[in-house]
Amino acid sequence: GAGVSQSPSNKVTEKGKDVELRCDPISGHTALYWYRQSLGQGLEFLIYFQGNSAPDKSGLPSDRFSAERTGGSVSTLTIQRTQQEDSAVYLCASTPDRGGGYTFGSGTRLTVV
Amino acid sequence: AQSVTQPDIHITVSEGASLELRCNYSYGATPYLFWYVQSPGQGLQLLLKYFSGDTLVQGIKGFEAEFKRSQSSFNLRKPSVHWSDAAEYFCAVGLLNDYKLSFGAGTTVTVRA
Repeated sequence: GAGVSQSPSNKVTEKGKDVELRCDPISGHTALYWYRQSLGQGLEFLIYFQGNSAPDKSGLPSDRFSAERTGGSVSTLTIQRTQQEDSAVYLCASTPDRGGGYTFGSGTRLTVV
Repeated sequence: AQSVTQPDIHITVSEGASLELRCNYSYGATPYLFWYVQSPGQGLQLLLKYFSGDTLVQGIKGFEAEFKRSQSSFNLRKPSVHWSDAAEYFCAVGLLNDYKLSFGAGTTVTVRA
């Protein structure tokens, strides 16, 4: 697509439920990144994909968080057994190759109640 | 340790006045430098980037930034702000052939009439 697309734009979920956040990067971009932006915080790196593999998943906060990418395109970030501290804006970005300036999506605002 | 510092959390400026946002970094090598802007409810948009060459970089929306190696700074400037420039601004730093960007905590700009 022309830009990075994320869905849903907003998600309210009950504590303990699982959620899936989707990112559709710019067509042809091989690198994909997930960041988290909590209220009053900066951007926190979560995971990096090059193609379908994730060389760096060091930023995932706990084993409740996982992500996958298929076909070198769409990525899904899954949060299991959501907690209130998971409430944040989850941002996805892509680049043509490793490094360079990111193109960000508009984010998914997750609220855990 | 690598770090990015935006010393100003919040800046208020009058419409038509000049704006300067500060960014300092601590990296072992000359980094790649970026400025992003985030309007409320939106993702991050790239304003400009510095990789090498001329240390004064022109970006979109009338912004420019100057890389000063001796001061480890990459300050963002605009000669005359518009009400639409009210947003949050993030400085980001990365390394050659690295994929991960480190972001500052952001500076919120308020524009008063």
